Amino acid sequence: KAGVTQTPRYLIKTRGQQVTLSCSPISGHRSVSWYQQTPGQGLQFLFEYFSETQRNKGNFPGRFSGRQFSNSRSEMNVSTLELGDSALYLCASSSHSGGANTGELFFGEGSRLTVL
Amino acid sequence: DQQVKQNSPSLSVQEGRISILNCDYTNSMFDYFLWYKKYPAEGPTFLISISSIKDKNEDGRFTVFLNKSAKHLSLHIVPSQPGDSAVYFCAARSLYNFNKFYFGSGTKLNVKP
Repeated sequence: KAGVTQTPRYLIKTRGQQVTLSCSPISGHRSVSWYQQTPGQGLQFLFEYFSETQRNKGNFPGRFSGRQFSNSRSEMNVSTLELGDSALYLCASSSHSGGANTGELFFGEGSRLTVL
Repeated sequence: DQQVKQNSPSLSVQEGRISILNCDYTNSMFDYFLWYKKYPAEGPTFLISISSIKDKNEDGRFTVFLNKSAKHLSLHIVPSQPGDSAVYFCAARSLYNFNKFYFGSGTKLNVKP
């Protein structure tokens, strides 16, 4: 079974630009989450989508947005990039649909964004 | 607001000895906890989980302990191996928040041969 695939793996942008990152979940997984990892900050939750609906959102400004398609693939977009947006962006998929205490996240290798 | 904290940024242990990684949380609504391991240039990989209805879960060399009254969990690795050298993250979720996980800042484990 193929894992979570994220593209692109690396990208460099300049301040003010926008970026779109893509994530293909494990086949059959309907939940896709996005996390931002910066040095010393751990993983910060951005948002989670399930069946094309955003179920949860973290404490990030509106410049960060996402969507999920009918095939469960997801994209996240960051507009008007700032230097502080430089980070590793991780996508995770899960078969967990809610309720019982089960269901780990399966992560992709991440997209490393550098903003100059 | 850091609801999950890993207060030790790094830990160094000798091969064959026990590694104990600690994690504290503040939200009493958390009821599901996980540990992840991360190597450089790779995504985190799931290690072990524990539900709040248990106080211990074991999987091979890895054991997670949960102390709900202290809002504390720990990961024990016995015996430690050089291949265990990685960054370890603990994560927590509340039942009604689906897949919104709160992660700690990570502990870098170095197992010396």
